[in-house]
Amino acid sequence: GAGVSQTPSNKVTEKGKYVELRCDPISGHTALYWYRQSLGQGPEFLIYFQGTGAADDSGLPNDRFFAVRPEGSVSTLKIQRTERGDSAVYLCASSLTAGVGGYTFGSGTRLTVV
Amino acid sequence: DAKTTQPTSMDCAEGRAANLPCNHSTISGNEYVYWYRQIHSQGPQYIIHGLKNNETNEMASLIITEDRKSSTLILPHATLRDTAVYYCIAIDKAAGNKLTFGGGTRVLVKP
Repeated sequence: GAGVSQTPSNKVTEKGKYVELRCDPISGHTALYWYRQSLGQGPEFLIYFQGTGAADDSGLPNDRFFAVRPEGSVSTLKIQRTERGDSAVYLCASSLTAGVGGYTFGSGTRLTVV
Repeated sequence: DAKTTQPTSMDCAEGRAANLPCNHSTISGNEYVYWYRQIHSQGPQYIIHGLKNNETNEMASLIITEDRKSSTLILPHATLRDTAVYYCIAIDKAAGNKLTFGGGTRVLVKP
């Protein structure tokens, strides 16, 4: 596609529920990144994929967070047993390959845990 | 990655050049200086990056000092649509382009 697409754009869930956030990167981009942004702060790195494998998952806050990219294109960020502190905008970005140039962000998914 | 320091906020006049400073005194030889901006309710947008030479593209110019300890992003003719938070980031491309965002500079372009 023309840009990075994230769905849903907004998600409200109850505390303790499971959620999945989807990212469709730009076609042909092999590197894919997930970030989380809390209100008034800069984005915070979570995980990045080069192809199908997670090259760096050091930013995932705990084992309730998991991400996959089974075919090297679409990625899903999964959050189990959601907590109110997980409320944030989750941003996805992609680039042609890791380490080259800037990358393109999607508009994010605003997750609200009530 | 080297830490960067930017002013918290700045105003500039529409139609004038906006000069956004960034200090990165601990930058290493392998680290590039990247600039992104984030307009309200959107994801960050890549602007420009450089290693040691000055760079220019259709959006902005990047001036890096000879010792590489600081840089300036220049928006040549600021418009109201340039109102955004601007982030200066120093990254090692060998580390996979992972970005570490600081607080950025909140730029308000006024008519």
